[in-house]
Amino acid sequence: GAVVSQHPSRVICKSGTSVKIECRSLDFQATTMFWYRQFPKQSLMLMATSNEGSKATYEQGVEKDKFLINHASLTLSTLTVTSAHPEDSSFYICSARLTGDNQPQHFGDGTRLSIL
Amino acid sequence: AQSVTQLGSHVSVSEGALVLLRCNYSSSVPPYLFWYVQYPNQGLQLLLKYTTGATLVKGINGFEAEFKKSETSFHLTKPSAHMSDAAEYFCAVRGDQKVTFGTGTKLQVIP
Repeated sequence: GAVVSQHPSRVICKSGTSVKIECRSLDFQATTMFWYRQFPKQSLMLMATSNEGSKATYEQGVEKDKFLINHASLTLSTLTVTSAHPEDSSFYICSARLTGDNQPQHFGDGTRLSIL
Repeated sequence: AQSVTQLGSHVSVSEGALVLLRCNYSSSVPPYLFWYVQYPNQGLQLLLKYTTGATLVKGINGFEAEFKKSETSFHLTKPSAHMSDAAEYFCAVRGDQKVTFGTGTKLQVIP
């Protein structure tokens, strides 16, 4: 079945550093990838929709300059948290799907980001 | 290793009929189990979760799910479907630290 690989699974870093998270579709071409964020004991919040070759569409309230998304190929999307601060600590998860609204989403395993 | 299987990528029910969305899981440790709902162009909203204790879990909007360890299942049900229930539903399992999501089931409610 379709597999989405997300890396790293866990990262701990100092405040002020930038952190890049990768989301790869291993055996299919994902024209659309989604980035979610989950705060403790809350639902997954959609941050942005990433379409290959075009700019990501950010949800209201998500800072574009803070959370940089690049979807440079049909198998890779990256999320970079720039100048991370403790309030950016969270669980980030990506999903990917083929073209078409009826295609299922395949989720990565998520990244636990902790900013000290 | 852990995994989640949602049987049926699309389910159609008539308004007022029983909703049954199937989820089977595998986990090497006692799992936490979740059901999320996603409305079009929105994020995933937690419907309900099982951690420990009572195996029948009640969630929002009249949904409930029963954890059956012997069957490794966590099926989602609602006695009477409403038009507003039309959405995509995701089952998820959390083992150690990792959460694994199913590929989702789109629920269509026919008037």
